[in-house]
Amino acid sequence: LAKTTQPISMDSYEGQEVNITCSHNNIATNDYITWYQQFPSQGPRFIIQGYKTKVTNEVASLFIPADRKSSTLSLPRVSLSDTAVYYCLVGESNSNYQLIWGAGTKLIIKP
Amino acid sequence: ETGVTQTPRHLVMGMTNKKSLKCEQHLGHNAMYWYKQSAKKPLELMFVYSLEERVENNSVPSRFSPECPNSSHLFLHLHTLQPEDSALYLCASSPGTTDTQYFGPGTRLTVL
Repeated sequence: LAKTTQPISMDSYEGQEVNITCSHNNIATNDYITWYQQFPSQGPRFIIQGYKTKVTNEVASLFIPADRKSSTLSLPRVSLSDTAVYYCLVGESNSNYQLIWGAGTKLIIKP
Repeated sequence: ETGVTQTPRHLVMGMTNKKSLKCEQHLGHNAMYWYKQSAKKPLELMFVYSLEERVENNSVPSRFSPECPNSSHLFLHLHTLQPEDSALYLCASSPGTTDTQYFGPGTRLTVL
């Protein structure tokens, strides 16, 4: 099963762009990459998903290099409310019950 | 609001009690999940139901018993729990088992 590695924590300031990188060296051909956000005492919330190159939505961008061994979640102009834990997941055979949830990256945004 | 509700939000129970957690989704999804999130540990998948049939059970102790009476409701029946079972229990749903999951707010369970 594909495994991911992310920084345990990151700090940034309001208005900055934040990039969180996830390593997934053993990603398989059929795997897709998904990012979730989780606030304290809440369930995770889907942010973005991609397979290769770049994906952008109203919340974030996801950059995936050609070898797909890593991916970077980019949050533009963060605010205090973006303080949360961010999880990078790699899907094995596109099945939710094959997903392995890591510890995530705790992002703290300071004023 | 994600369209997935869980009750109760908080539960304190003794080791000899029997209680149930309830999850309801208003999204018309066909797959539902129970997860356990302990302090400083990753989410652990416990059970997966697809079209009301259990499709995955990740070696969960028998003191946890799921029930899916229809595609909108999911229960987790608890009995003779241990203190180490104290955690945030999350329910999620998705259109199918390969689609994005929508999580509920969770039930914070404390076993005394």
